[in-house]
Amino acid sequence: SAVISQKPSRDICQRGTSLTIQCQVDSQVTMMFWYRQQPGQSLTLIATANQGSEATYESGFVIDKFPISRPNLTFSTLTVSNMSPEDSSIYLCSVLAGGNTIYFGEGSWLTVV
Amino acid sequence: GESVGLHLPTLSVQEGDNSIINCAYSNSASDYFIWYKQESGKGPQFIIDIRSNMDKRQGQRVTVLLNKTVKHLSLQIAATQPGDSAVYFCAEESPAGGTSYGKLTFGQGTILTVHP
Repeated sequence: SAVISQKPSRDICQRGTSLTIQCQVDSQVTMMFWYRQQPGQSLTLIATANQGSEATYESGFVIDKFPISRPNLTFSTLTVSNMSPEDSSIYLCSVLAGGNTIYFGEGSWLTVV
Repeated sequence: GESVGLHLPTLSVQEGDNSIINCAYSNSASDYFIWYKQESGKGPQFIIDIRSNMDKRQGQRVTVLLNKTVKHLSLQIAATQPGDSAVYFCAEESPAGGTSYGKLTFGQGTILTVHP
């Protein structure tokens, strides 16, 4: 298994500001992903965080709004830019770990006011 | 931000009963499926997975059944306990390998409530 730590766990943010969420894994992993879970809904994939290159975004998500970094095989960041109340969500990091099992962090719970 | 459940199907059972949670998946090319449990205030927790070359897999108190013909997945929980109360999501990876490797599409989720 993989132990995934996300920071911050919760935050309340002012509209128009940006917030960077960190994801740290306790072991090297090949694949890291970022998901969003809006209130009362299921999880939606935002992007694949590629080590050493630009992230691969899913339809409906763009780099300007959700810039992602992945400087090494254990760490990634997701920035939510120019936030609006519609960005209030849980943002989750996931990894493809040993045994090809996909694990999730506990999420970063953002409220935009 | 923890209002998971306002729009999700619900299942209520008595403690000790068996629970069956169902999921219809979308892509006939999907070949890997996972069930996750999400408790209030937490991230999704891996429960059990199954690959498309199987139709049944058992874990501790849980069984996953896969029917590829009708693109249906179910999670059976034996002797359900109050601690099983959570939102349960099915997820599919379609297909494994290539650019989709590790990328999941999630079902809408089901709220399971276990009454003591």
